[in-house]
Amino acid sequence: GAVVSQHPSRVICKSGTSVKIECRSLDFQATTMFWYRQFPKQSLMLMATSNEGSKATYEQGVEKDKFLINHASLTLSTLTVTSAHPEDSSFYICSARVTGPLGEQYFGPGTRLTVT
Amino acid sequence: GESVGLHLPTLSVQEGDNSIINCAYSNSASDYFIWYKQESGKGPQFIIDIRSNMDKRQGQRVTVLLNKTVKHLSLQIAATQPGDSAVYFCAERPGFQKLVFGTGTRLLVSP
Repeated sequence: GAVVSQHPSRVICKSGTSVKIECRSLDFQATTMFWYRQFPKQSLMLMATSNEGSKATYEQGVEKDKFLINHASLTLSTLTVTSAHPEDSSFYICSARVTGPLGEQYFGPGTRLTVT
Repeated sequence: GESVGLHLPTLSVQEGDNSIINCAYSNSASDYFIWYKQESGKGPQFIIDIRSNMDKRQGQRVTVLLNKTVKHLSLQIAATQPGDSAVYFCAERPGFQKLVFGTGTRLLVSP
């Protein structure tokens, strides 16, 4: 099946610093990628939708200046958490939708962010 | 708003049994449905999908059934194994809009 990778898998950073998470579709092109956040024992919460070459669309309540998204190519999207605070600690998961008529959606392995 | 929900939060089965995980959806415009498996600390893994022009689709040991009349989706796992233990999410999508996830069902398989 299609593979989506994320890097890093785990990151610990200090309050006030910024962290960048990369999401890559390894064997398919993805015009559209998604960023989710997941709290323990809960479902996935969509943060934003990114389209290659255009600005991301953020869900209500998600600060676009805090969670910067860049979708520079058909295989790469990045999420930068700026001026991180402990409440930003979470499991961040990206997803990529296959470009094509079916539009299957595959997920990355997730990134565990801990802000101290 | 539209939502996808699950009837049972936890399902416990014995190894070798067949498992059935259910899901109700409310958006009649949804035409694409996916089941994902998520193990602890990992991202969701695509299991099987089905489009609204079908009512059944089979994969390896898994079958998805779609009943559009009552807006119900189910995932059947044959000969459940300990490695099947995970949280299973159903998701729906109208057209190429965003996926809407259910709350998840935890499957526990006892040896």
